[in-house]
Amino acid sequence: DTGVSQDPRHKITKRGQNVTFRCDPISEHNRLYWYRQTLGQGPEFLTYFQNEAQLEKSRLLSDRFSAERPKGSFSTLEIQRTEQGDSAMYLCASSQGQGVDTQYFGPGTRLTVL
Amino acid sequence: AQSVTQLGSHVSVSEGALVLLRCNYSSSVPPYLFWYVQYPNQGLQLLLKYTSAATLVKGINGFEAEFKKSETSFHLTKPSAHMSDAAEYFCAVTLSGSARQLTFGSGTQLTVLP
Repeated sequence: DTGVSQDPRHKITKRGQNVTFRCDPISEHNRLYWYRQTLGQGPEFLTYFQNEAQLEKSRLLSDRFSAERPKGSFSTLEIQRTEQGDSAMYLCASSQGQGVDTQYFGPGTRLTVL
Repeated sequence: AQSVTQLGSHVSVSEGALVLLRCNYSSSVPPYLFWYVQYPNQGLQLLLKYTSAATLVKGINGFEAEFKKSETSFHLTKPSAHMSDAAEYFCAVTLSGSARQLTFGSGTQLTVLP
């Protein structure tokens, strides 16, 4: 299976701890997106990479959040000093980067902050 | 800025009945529109997309949607519901010339009754 993969699938942490999520996009997809989805809501855009360059960040992405895509392949999303309000599903998507290309989503990482 | 409104957070239909899920968009420029489906504990899967070609778009699993500019709508339909169609459905919009970040509606949970 060469779809988008995310690790871990579930993460439970205590308030104040740091967490890091990984996303492996579909091979040779230039664009990579992070979204956050809370219960009963649609996904909300967090940030976007074109290759290794982070080109856009949402206002939802506070300074406790940082994302990287160091070699233009996999990406990591780190949340520092987690808060209970950070509990959500974090979704990663990738696309080829041509025209109105389709975003392919991974299964997500469900974060629970106690 | 663009936005999407999905009317009806929960829709129930009988097996074999018509499925109609409503989506209205707001956009200052020509939009691109998408329908995604999400099964429990899974990522989002693209059903279909409108990219300014034909206004009637056919997707996977027998779904289709019609872009109506005058009504700013992109409703999703399926002539005959199957039990396997039970899932959450999200309408999303992105703008031509943008970074392609998707703006999602809040979703419609479809229940199919035997």
